[in-house]
Amino acid sequence: IQLTQSPSSLSASVGDRVTITCRASQDISGYLAWFQQKPGTAPKLLIYSTSVLQSGVPSRFSGTRSGTDFSLTISSLQPEDFATYFCQQFSSSPLTFGGGTKVEIK
Amino acid sequence: QVQLQQRGAGLLKPSETLSVTCVVYGGSFSGYYWSWIRQSPGEGLEWIGDVNESGTSKYNPSLKSRVAVSLDKSKKEISLNLASVTAADTAVYYCARGRVVEARWGLYRYILSVWGQGTTVTVSS
Repeated sequence: IQLTQSPSSLSASVGDRVTITCRASQDISGYLAWFQQKPGTAPKLLIYSTSVLQSGVPSRFSGTRSGTDFSLTISSLQPEDFATYFCQQFSSSPLTFGGGTKVEIK
Repeated sequence: QVQLQQRGAGLLKPSETLSVTCVVYGGSFSGYYWSWIRQSPGEGLEWIGDVNESGTSKYNPSLKSRVAVSLDKSKKEISLNLASVTAADTAVYYCARGRVVEARWGLYRYILSVWGQGTTVTVSS
């Protein structure tokens, strides 16, 4: 199952609302997770099963689904949110990841 | 608070076998799936394979002929071996704990909720 993320990068300011999309090549139901990764560190789980917030993740992060299209939204971008974001499907093996979206400071 | 600590050789020559070990500290070993994922600039994140507490492994078809994932419950360790490496295997290798969120008709779906710190492996002659 291929996951196509867009955009591959974006520039935004603190306080902006940011949305990243992930399109699956086939039906994965809601079995999609989102990760945040900062340079030199492992990915960190933010959201799973489309919209369930992992424990400790701020409520400004949210996830939605429309068919095979998924979105991650950050309602008000904070300085610590500048990072790369990946989607990942766990509907079927092999698990696969999107190509990533780098969120940079404008 | 569970932590995954990785160890393994960082520099290999082509045709050698990559070996990385993941040690579980501070958490239960049972009831989880244990995955290996790698990340390279050219290929992004790639799931390598996993093993459950029964020792049953599953692999990415792209690597299946060369990879072995196993666990040692007594040591709380998960091991990755990748044979006949080439420069294309140069990457950061991560172990991750898979928490099951759905079990239905013998199919288990899990989320990668805890990750190791990563091991940088370079293959060069």
